[in-house]
Amino acid sequence: KNEVEQSPQNLTAQEGEFITINCSYSVGISALHWLQQHPGGGIVSLFMLSSGKKKHGRLIATINIQEKHSSLHITASHPRDSAVYICAVRSNGNQFYFGTGTSLTVIP
Amino acid sequence: GAVVSQHPSRVICKSGTSVKIECRSLDFQATTMFWYRQFPKKSLMLMATSNEGSKATYEQGVEKDKFLINHASLTLSTLTVTSAHPEDSSFYICSAEGHTQYFGPGTRLTVL
Repeated sequence: KNEVEQSPQNLTAQEGEFITINCSYSVGISALHWLQQHPGGGIVSLFMLSSGKKKHGRLIATINIQEKHSSLHITASHPRDSAVYICAVRSNGNQFYFGTGTSLTVIP
Repeated sequence: GAVVSQHPSRVICKSGTSVKIECRSLDFQATTMFWYRQFPKKSLMLMATSNEGSKATYEQGVEKDKFLINHASLTLSTLTVTSAHPEDSSFYICSAEGHTQYFGPGTRLTVL
């Protein structure tokens, strides 16, 4: 069993739709990261969370420490949002665990 | 914002040769850098933690003599894949610890 589980694995949406990607983890963490990886491989760190909620443009990330769950929301999705979104946690023991990613395709 | 670079972005080499990949933090100092490997359609796998001025800490199953890591300065860590074989072909990514984790763009290694 993976320490970090993401859902869905694949997601196709129409442009403009509201998108939610979920992440559940089983270890105690000091921080959770949401990462974006475009085709070609480069990774961008979108958010680092240890509690609450963060917003950046059309992206919103929330975390519930008690439930060991985080969500990444994309409002008014756009084709350029098409990418793989990866949830990663840093455990209290300073280990990094990565989800297998959610592949998002936004259709014009 | 903080930027992490990797060089080269792509490398093709013959089996048996060694390949060095550089990871640089461009506008901040990083005492800790991380090296990851990503297989096709898989998530990242942490290979090792690189600490400036001391030996790297390798994850279980990663051969330290195969993947040599040197963190000689606060802005540079290098990963050398020694005596590369086709099964070492992969996408190698580094990250540097600043205010948050900053990821490099990755290096695609192909071993023929």
